[in-house]
Amino acid sequence: DGGITQSPKYLFRKEGQNVTLSCEQNLNHDAMYWYRQDPGQGLRLIYYSQIVNDFQKGDIAEGYSVSREKKESFPLTVTSAQKNPTAFYLCASSSGGLNTEAFFGQGTRLTVV
Amino acid sequence: AQSVAQPEDQVNVAEGNPLTVKCTYSVSGNPYLFWYVQYPNRGLQFLLKYITGDNLVKGSYGFEAEFNKSQTSFHLKKPSALVSDSALYFCAVRAPNRDDKIIFGKGTRLHILP
Repeated sequence: DGGITQSPKYLFRKEGQNVTLSCEQNLNHDAMYWYRQDPGQGLRLIYYSQIVNDFQKGDIAEGYSVSREKKESFPLTVTSAQKNPTAFYLCASSSGGLNTEAFFGQGTRLTVV
Repeated sequence: AQSVAQPEDQVNVAEGNPLTVKCTYSVSGNPYLFWYVQYPNRGLQFLLKYITGDNLVKGSYGFEAEFNKSQTSFHLKKPSALVSDSALYFCAVRAPNRDDKIIFGKGTRLHILP
């Protein structure tokens, strides 16, 4: 089945640690996105990538990093510089045309302990 | 700047009644508009989109949305609500010549009362 897979579903991080969230898609989509979801704040864009080896900062990129070495993969690292990382993280992909919808993974819930 | 507003945090509707979830947008140029639904602890699912043409678009699960250019709105509607429609609904916009960003509203929680 084609789709977009995020792992793990739940992740716990100690303060001061970096953690990496995985996002893989087999839809052959060019564009990939990372969003953060907090209660009452909707989805906020962290980073996005329109093509392999290229990515752009979104609205809340501070404390996060990404890479796009392969078309299928867009991992997100939450660094220790992110002061409030506890949130639900959503990865999405689209074929890249403005008239195309995005497909979402099932999300990763990150909790700092 | 490109933006989307969903003015209602929550909407309550009795089962069987029509429902409307409101969305307004602000973009330069012609917008591409989308509605998504999210169930608890899950990702978003695409419902429908407006690209061009007929102002009334139909989507999944009996939902439809009406594009109104003069009011810059794209309200989501359904003639008869089901309890299973209870979820979080997001409006989103993409704008021509604005790279590849997808901008989402803050979401509206829809409660269908049995």
